[in-house]
Amino acid sequence: SQELEQSPQSLIVQEGKNLTINCTSSKTLYGLYWYKQKYGEGLIFLMMLQKGGEEKSHEKITAKLDEKKQQSSLHITASQPSHAGIYLCGAASGGSNYKLTFGKGTLLTVNP
Amino acid sequence: DSGVTQTPKHLITATGQRVTLRCSPRSGDLSVYWYQQSLDQGLQFLIQYYNGEERAKGNILERFSAQQFPDLHSELNLSSLELGDSALYFCASSSSGTQYFGPGTRLTVT
Repeated sequence: SQELEQSPQSLIVQEGKNLTINCTSSKTLYGLYWYKQKYGEGLIFLMMLQKGGEEKSHEKITAKLDEKKQQSSLHITASQPSHAGIYLCGAASGGSNYKLTFGKGTLLTVNP
Repeated sequence: DSGVTQTPKHLITATGQRVTLRCSPRSGDLSVYWYQQSLDQGLQFLIQYYNGEERAKGNILERFSAQQFPDLHSELNLSSLELGDSALYFCASSSSGTQYFGPGTRLTVT
């Protein structure tokens, strides 16, 4: 079964700093999703990447997919306290069922 | 707001009991997914329904079952509850691949 490893597990940054979260898959990536979760709450969809080399941005968050490395990175520029939360990557299993396997998550704390 | 609703928000019950969690998908979404999130296991896929039919199964215990009704809402039934079933249960819905998650039901088994 597919496994996703996220690094780092947790991250503390000062407001205004840039940061990167990585997600590496044990198998071929057919689609990679990034979600954000506030503790104990639902997941908020951020971005979906499907093609190798694809890069998407939403406000100050950019995600890239490196198909060859079976890896995706999420980059936040000029972090703000509102960026704090748990970032989860999820990978589609391929085929038509779209069930997602998730990484353990990266806990981001942004200090003002 | 994702458009996916789940009830109840919190549920506290005793071991051995049975509970039903309810999910209403976003308008127009035919697929519903159920996930379990716990501290030790993380977020785990349980089961998917598409337009009333079971489409995929993940790490779902035999004590758990789900169904999707003609109006597309779904219910997850958990029976013979154990302490280890305490977790956040999420449902998600999709129509074109991207899954939108509900706020979750927090189940506490005492």
